[in-house]
Amino acid sequence: DAGVTQSPTHLIKTRGQQVTLRCSPKSGHDTVSWYQQALGQGPQFIFQYYEEEERQRGNFPDRFSGHQFPNYSSELNVNALLLGDSALYLCASSTGTGGVQYFGAGTRLSVL
Amino acid sequence: AQKVTQAQTEISVVEKEDVTLDCVYETRDTTYYLFWYKQPPSGELVFLIRRNSFDEQNEISGRYSWNFQKSTSSFNFTITASQVVDSAVYFCALSEAEGADGLTFGKGTHLIIQP
Repeated sequence: DAGVTQSPTHLIKTRGQQVTLRCSPKSGHDTVSWYQQALGQGPQFIFQYYEEEERQRGNFPDRFSGHQFPNYSSELNVNALLLGDSALYLCASSTGTGGVQYFGAGTRLSVL
Repeated sequence: AQKVTQAQTEISVVEKEDVTLDCVYETRDTTYYLFWYKQPPSGELVFLIRRNSFDEQNEISGRYSWNFQKSTSSFNFTITASQVVDSAVYFCALSEAEGADGLTFGKGTHLIIQP
């Protein structure tokens, strides 16, 4: 049984560019959450998708947007990249409300 | 607003010692969940435990134990007879129990177990 998978593993972009990160949830899970983890910090909640809609959003600007597909996989898009967007981006999947969130290995984004 | 505080930035102990990681939380919700996750150097967060706010019973799983005290808003994690493989960053987290459940994490405690 595959766990949460994220792609790509690493990514290098320059300021002003746009990036798309992808996540496939654990089998049987219908909810996907995205987190940003800066170096030496705890993960910060970006948003959560359920039934292809954004159910909850953290304190992140509109440059961060997402999508969930009918097969429950999800994308995180970041526009107009800033140096401060350099971080590890983690995807987590779960079922329903209050379900345990299981995390993928993350995508490390470097913005130069 | 929810908040999780892990005051211990880094702890270093010698193998086989017991170690306790502290977690203090703030929330206005009457029902909520508390979590502990482990993040080894590989980066993937590994789920350790979830506790419902109505369940204040302590829990033990092998060398791991958790002490939840609602009166002090604390959810501490103890590793007994620590091992080098326990070296990692440990995060405490909080979520609502109803509705959307994005996790609020603490800043983490870096645990170093020396052989």
